[in-house]
Amino acid sequence: DQQVKQNSPSLSVQEGRISILNCDYTNSMFDYFLWYKKYPAEGPTFLISISSIKDKNEDGRFTVFLNKSAKHLSLHIVPSQPGDSAVYFCAASANSGYALNFGKGTSLLVTP
Amino acid sequence: GAVVSQHPSRVICKSGTSVKIECRSLDFQATTMFWYRQFPKQSLMLMATSNEGSKATYEQGVEKDKFLINHASLTLSTLTVTSAHPEDSSFYICSASGALGFQETQYFGPGTRLLVL
Repeated sequence: DQQVKQNSPSLSVQEGRISILNCDYTNSMFDYFLWYKKYPAEGPTFLISISSIKDKNEDGRFTVFLNKSAKHLSLHIVPSQPGDSAVYFCAASANSGYALNFGKGTSLLVTP
Repeated sequence: GAVVSQHPSRVICKSGTSVKIECRSLDFQATTMFWYRQFPKQSLMLMATSNEGSKATYEQGVEKDKFLINHASLTLSTLTVTSAHPEDSSFYICSASGALGFQETQYFGPGTRLLVL
């Protein structure tokens, strides 16, 4: 049973515009959420995280928003760059440091 | 950021042989390491949680006698795929928990591509 869902398998955005990647979760025990970026045949690279005590966390071009009541989080990338093209995984855990539950990923393509 | 290495990056073996994959945290001590596998175009699936000095905790459906995990030190965990079969061909990724401020974040290794012929 998929507890973390990324319903958009792919997204295409023009360079310079905003990329918005969405993630939904079903387990109300999750209190720590992370976004990872992954290239083919490589391990995921940590991008940004947010704990349930916050509703927004920003790091440079990346911002993660958390809506606990809707069990929804999103990753905003602005401005998008061609180098951002990769698969983005949303992950959640019931406690930081515990095993992660991953979504299926969203493949982002940023076109020049 | 924290660095996690995996070795080998790619391995091809014959059916019935055993393969060992190493996962090392290079610049931090990890009391907990995790092993995931990923099939093509699918999500990462947790196989087991490895704690230093104790037995690994396996997820439902993962055979502990087939996927042997050893976490002998705070910087090294190994996954041995015993008597590998073609259906074990997959991308295996480890992660290690390291502190990022007050939160522990998982840092991933580069992965190991296993192909069993």
